[in-house]
Amino acid sequence: DGGITQSPKYLFRKEGQNVTLSCEQNLNHDAMYWYRQDPGQGLRLIYYSQIVNDFQKGDIAEGYSVSREKKESFPLTVTSAQKNPTAFYLCASNMGGYNSPLHFGNGTRLTVT
Amino acid sequence: DQQVKQNSPSLSVQEGRISILNCDYTNSMFDYFLWYKKYPAEGPTFLISISSIKDKNEDGRFTVFLNKSAKHLSLHIVPSQPGDSAVYFCAAKAGGGNKLTFGTGTQLKVEL
Repeated sequence: DGGITQSPKYLFRKEGQNVTLSCEQNLNHDAMYWYRQDPGQGLRLIYYSQIVNDFQKGDIAEGYSVSREKKESFPLTVTSAQKNPTAFYLCASNMGGYNSPLHFGNGTRLTVT
Repeated sequence: DQQVKQNSPSLSVQEGRISILNCDYTNSMFDYFLWYKKYPAEGPTFLISISSIKDKNEDGRFTVFLNKSAKHLSLHIVPSQPGDSAVYFCAAKAGGGNKLTFGTGTQLKVEL
């Protein structure tokens, strides 16, 4: 059963701590993406990767970092430099072709206090 | 700068009637448009897409219309069903790239 797995579903951290969100896909997709959803703001692109060992900044990359060491995995680290880290984070993937729709995971809700 | 706009944050429709969700965009370079549906605490799921070379695309109960001159697209759902109650996002991309720009979403409620 192919899909995208994000874990954990809920994550709580203290301010000043870095935290890493997991994203794994078994769809054999080349491209992977991280989006953030905030109330009333839709989805905003944080980082994306079109191939292994390569990634690009999205619209709101400040305070985040990623790695793409394996095709199946695209972890996102929310660093202490991110000013408003509390949000719903969504990982997605696609084949990378222009008309290839994104497939999303079920998200991780991060709360930083 | 919000390049993709969904000006109606919510819409309520009776079961069996037509739901029309609207989306406007400002970037004339956008040439591919998609609609996604999202339930609470889940990721969005792809519904339907349309290329700028077309003005209509239909898939079952879902039809997307594109008016390039007005920079406007709409999603029609007919007949609407209670299970269609969700947030609907329109999204657009430009120039062969992989970056999708999303609207802010419209919460659709289909009432019995």
